[in-house]
Amino acid sequence: LAKTTQPISMDSYEGQEVNITCSHNNIATNDYITWYQQFPSQGPRFIIQGYKTKVTNEVASLFIPADRKSSTLSLPRVSLSDTAVYYCLVGFPVSGGYNKLIFGAGTRLAVHP
Amino acid sequence: EAGVTQFPSHSVIEKGQTVTLRCDPISGHDNLYWYRRVMGKEIKFLLHFVKESKQDESGMPNNRFLAERTGGTYSTLKVQPAELEDSGVYFCASSLRPGGDEQYFGPGTRLTVT
Repeated sequence: LAKTTQPISMDSYEGQEVNITCSHNNIATNDYITWYQQFPSQGPRFIIQGYKTKVTNEVASLFIPADRKSSTLSLPRVSLSDTAVYYCLVGFPVSGGYNKLIFGAGTRLAVHP
Repeated sequence: EAGVTQFPSHSVIEKGQTVTLRCDPISGHDNLYWYRRVMGKEIKFLLHFVKESKQDESGMPNNRFLAERTGGTYSTLKVQPAELEDSGVYFCASSLRPGGDEQYFGPGTRLTVT
């Protein structure tokens, strides 16, 4: 069963742009790519979702190439409060046609002053 | 609007005992999911309810785990009897639509089996 792959950790400094890439080779044709953020002792929190090309909201941008086998979460001008674990979430096809949801391993982002 | 709530926030039990975790999804969300993260591991999918029906329970580790969602509202996850390896954080999430739709997570229940 295919799974998502992300860097284990990343370091950045306040004010920089951070790009986190996730690979997902067996993404279903009708499924979306969703990124979540998680702080210690809290449940994951939705950041952004997209299907293809580029999506932007008030906190992040999501870049998805035409083949959709990967996606890149872009956080502009990070601050200390962006220190968290970031997960990409996609559905994978299983027998019977139902899309099973699988979390990536998560990327631990540390933002330094 | 209230978010997803989970009870208790933390539970400490002895091996062999029974524990029941509860999840109240966002009102109107037909889809309810259970996940868990064992220490140092990835968040793993356990099962998915659509209303009161189990859509996918392929992630349930064994028959010591029983999930229910009577009436299609709140859900319970019972572990009986609990084993040491069941320790971890159990998350519940809900969504309007299944698949890759945005899921709203609860704060989790930290289960410690001693």
